[in-house]
Amino acid sequence: DIQMTQSPSTLSASVGDRVTMTCRASQNIITWLAWYQQKPGKAPKLLIYKASSLESGVPSRFSGSGSGTEFTLTISSLQPDDFATYYCQQYNGYLYTFGQGTKLEIK
Amino acid sequence: QVQLVESGGGVVQPGESLRLSCVASGFTLRRNGMHWVRQAPGKGLEWVAFIRYDGSNEYYADSVKGRFTISRDISKNTLYLQMNSLRIEDTAVYYCAKDRGGIAAAGHFDSWGQGTLVTVSS
Repeated sequence: DIQMTQSPSTLSASVGDRVTMTCRASQNIITWLAWYQQKPGKAPKLLIYKASSLESGVPSRFSGSGSGTEFTLTISSLQPDDFATYYCQQYNGYLYTFGQGTKLEIK
Repeated sequence: QVQLVESGGGVVQPGESLRLSCVASGFTLRRNGMHWVRQAPGKGLEWVAFIRYDGSNEYYADSVKGRFTISRDISKNTLYLQMNSLRIEDTAVYYCAKDRGGIAAAGHFDSWGQGTLVTVSS
């Protein structure tokens, strides 16, 4: 199985900051990677698919990059609504796996 | 618009069975693959199962293979998850999720239900 490792586990930042979080795959997944945002008690929300494609309706301050085994999610200017947990997910084949999450906290 | 509503969760003992349902509206299961994803209390997300748009193939996480079965009823536009031989470690919120790819399985999820809690406890 492909293992996904996210870093950091927790990220403290302020409104207006630019933040980047990382997701590493245990083997080459080309660009078969998605990013989700989850708030407490809510279902996850798709932000990015195919590593860098922005899902419809998602603000342009979110961007994704990377290929192979290393990927990043960047938020260009943090807004109050962005404080949440972020998960990456690989979909190379039919066994899908998530990273353990990065919790974005208010500094 | 797309809506997914799960039901069927509850408290069961180890070894018992439970069937979850997910009623879809705003789109047809006939043209969309569907997934179940779960989240143990305070933990991350775990993909559980996928059924292709035409029901021709099903895929399962190793942790549930042989115990869980994903299925759907097109006439009711409803997705199911039959869970047998439940274990304490199956305790989680279970979400149904729509595959973004339609008939071409994309493997990522663009719409989610609100989730239903399954608790396995003796």
